[in-house]
Amino acid sequence: AQSVTQLDSQVPVFEEAPVELRCNYSSSVSVYLFWYVQYPNQGLQLLLKYLSGSTLVKGINGFEAEFNKSQTSFHLRKPSVHISDTAEYFCAVLNTGGFKTIFGAGTRLFVKA
Amino acid sequence: DAGVIQSPRHEVTEMGQEVTLRCKPISGHDYLFWYRQTMMRGLELLIYFNNNVPIDDSGMPEDRFSAKMPNASFSTLKIQPSEPRDSAVYFCASTILYRDSWNTEAFFGQGTRLTVV
Repeated sequence: AQSVTQLDSQVPVFEEAPVELRCNYSSSVSVYLFWYVQYPNQGLQLLLKYLSGSTLVKGINGFEAEFNKSQTSFHLRKPSVHISDTAEYFCAVLNTGGFKTIFGAGTRLFVKA
Repeated sequence: DAGVIQSPRHEVTEMGQEVTLRCKPISGHDYLFWYRQTMMRGLELLIYFNNNVPIDDSGMPEDRFSAKMPNASFSTLKIQPSEPRDSAVYFCASTILYRDSWNTEAFFGQGTRLTVV
């Protein structure tokens, strides 16, 4: 079985500062990894995904994530955040032979002026 | 395509009443998922369908919950009778399987916020 741990429930940060949202997963099989973003009163939208190949994945809105197999991590980063990045971010895993996407508990990012 | 459409967006009902949540997936998608989101438990998968057939309902919390997909463009999640602890945001998502590859993301509706008083 897989599981996803998002290490921070809330991350406050000032505008234009860098941010890292941490995600660790556990799985006995190969996985695909995703980051989704949820803006207030909205559904989830895909930010980026790792399937294979380069471990550094670039997504929308200037976000990127790095897959680290040895540390079973998939941390999300942005070098300079904007007020509009305030949202909840979910890390998710899907095993390559399965059908269920497992989501982490979410990290609420607050960007302050 | 307008995306995954859920209705209603908000539902307030009294304990003991029947509640029906509706979902229209993206046209052509062959998988449909129902999720429940709460502060305490996060995002939980309740059930998913493939080609209108329920594949895994192990996440459905109890017999009060039921889901159907009578055709490729419509699904319902029903709670009967509803209880205050069912209050949550319920999301529907859909996706499509390409050549046995699960490398595509799920597309989510905007959710139904259910409040049971």
